[in-house]
Amino acid sequence: DGGITQSPKYLFRKEGQNVTLSCEQNLNHDAMYWYRQDPGQGLRLIYYSQIVNDFQKGDIAEGYSVSREKKESFPLTVTSAQKNPTAFYLCASKGDGSSDEQFFGPGTRLTVL
Amino acid sequence: GQNIDQPTEMTATEGAIVQINCTYQTSGFNGLFWYQQHAGEAPTFLSYNVLDGLEEKGRFSSFLSRSKGYSYLLLKELQMKDSASYLCAAMDSNYQLIWGAGTKLIIKP
Repeated sequence: DGGITQSPKYLFRKEGQNVTLSCEQNLNHDAMYWYRQDPGQGLRLIYYSQIVNDFQKGDIAEGYSVSREKKESFPLTVTSAQKNPTAFYLCASKGDGSSDEQFFGPGTRLTVL
Repeated sequence: GQNIDQPTEMTATEGAIVQINCTYQTSGFNGLFWYQQHAGEAPTFLSYNVLDGLEEKGRFSSFLSRSKGYSYLLLKELQMKDSASYLCAAMDSNYQLIWGAGTKLIIKP
């Protein structure tokens, strides 16, 4: 079945460590997105990529990095520079039409101790 | 600035009807999305409106007024499984989604 996978579901890291969150899709979508979700707030865009080998900063890119070497994969690295990394991270992909919805992965809940 | 407003929480009774409102201010507008999100899970797509009017899809309907910057999601014949957060998102002129904080809907028997 087509879809988006994120791993792991839960992740614990010590403060000061970098951590990479995985996102893979087999929907043949060009566009992929990373969001952060905190309690009581809307989804906030971290990075997005509209095509392989290209990506753009979203509203809260500081302390994060991404790569898009393959169409199917869009990993997110949370660096030690991110001051408050504990959050629920959601990856999404989207087809080419402007009315196409974004499809979301199951999310990764990152807790930094 | 860009902004989406929706109520934080609503309560309704099983079998009843509930309307969740959303107002938006964006730089340009290319449509309004509604998503459902159960606790700890991914958002799932419910509806998309770009023209004024009502779009009906089973028990769920969504309305848009572009001139008023207003949308609502109408849920009929509420079921316990409808207990979730409902996210409103407007697409701006760059085709990026601006998300509301979500409305937590509590269904009581």
